[in-house]
Amino acid sequence: DAGVIQSPRHEVTEMGQEVTLRCKPISGHNSLFWYRQTMMRGLELLIYFNNNVPIDDSGMPEDRFSAKMPNASFSTLKIQPSEPRDSAVYFCASSEPGRTSSYEQYFGPGTRLTVT
Amino acid sequence: RKEVEQDPGPFNVPEGATVAFNCTYSNSASQSFFWYRQDCRKEPKLLMSVYSSGNEDGRFTAQLNRASQYISLLIRDSKLSDSATYLCVVSVYTGGFKTIFGAGTRLFVKA
Repeated sequence: DAGVIQSPRHEVTEMGQEVTLRCKPISGHNSLFWYRQTMMRGLELLIYFNNNVPIDDSGMPEDRFSAKMPNASFSTLKIQPSEPRDSAVYFCASSEPGRTSSYEQYFGPGTRLTVT
Repeated sequence: RKEVEQDPGPFNVPEGATVAFNCTYSNSASQSFFWYRQDCRKEPKLLMSVYSSGNEDGRFTAQLNRASQYISLLIRDSKLSDSATYLCVVSVYTGGFKTIFGAGTRLFVKA
């Protein structure tokens, strides 16, 4: 299996621009997670999906952030407009759906976003 | 108070040392517990799940105390390759399993 695929790996953009991050989960994994990691705040869960449905988006920092999962093999995280404080590494992870417990999450390599 | 708190570190130990990491969590409804490892500029990867009965995987031992809401990880006979950040992770059911990561404890093992 190719693992979780994220694109782009690096993104440099100017403040005010729209940024779209993409993720392809592992086939057969029905749970998908978006995280943001910074030195100051560590790894923060932004939003997660089960069977393409957003379950908890309480970690999304503000309305500038949105995430979609139109099908089981693709998800996007969009920032519009971007700001310098959005600079971070954004990880996507997927796992098998748990009924009574949580399972291992497999992380993609991350997208390193720099907003100037 | 953070939902998952870990020793701030960093820990600097010589090869062969035993090192222990501690973690506490605030939500008593937490259901699943893990330790992940993250190498510099890489993605986190599962090290081991943590069960109430305690579990061991080679040089690594994890313990869970639900009454104290405390998780630990013990590394025996540490190797240079154990140098990494260790992340304590807790899952809570909120219609699906929401995962909360601790800030991580950095370990440096030196020759």
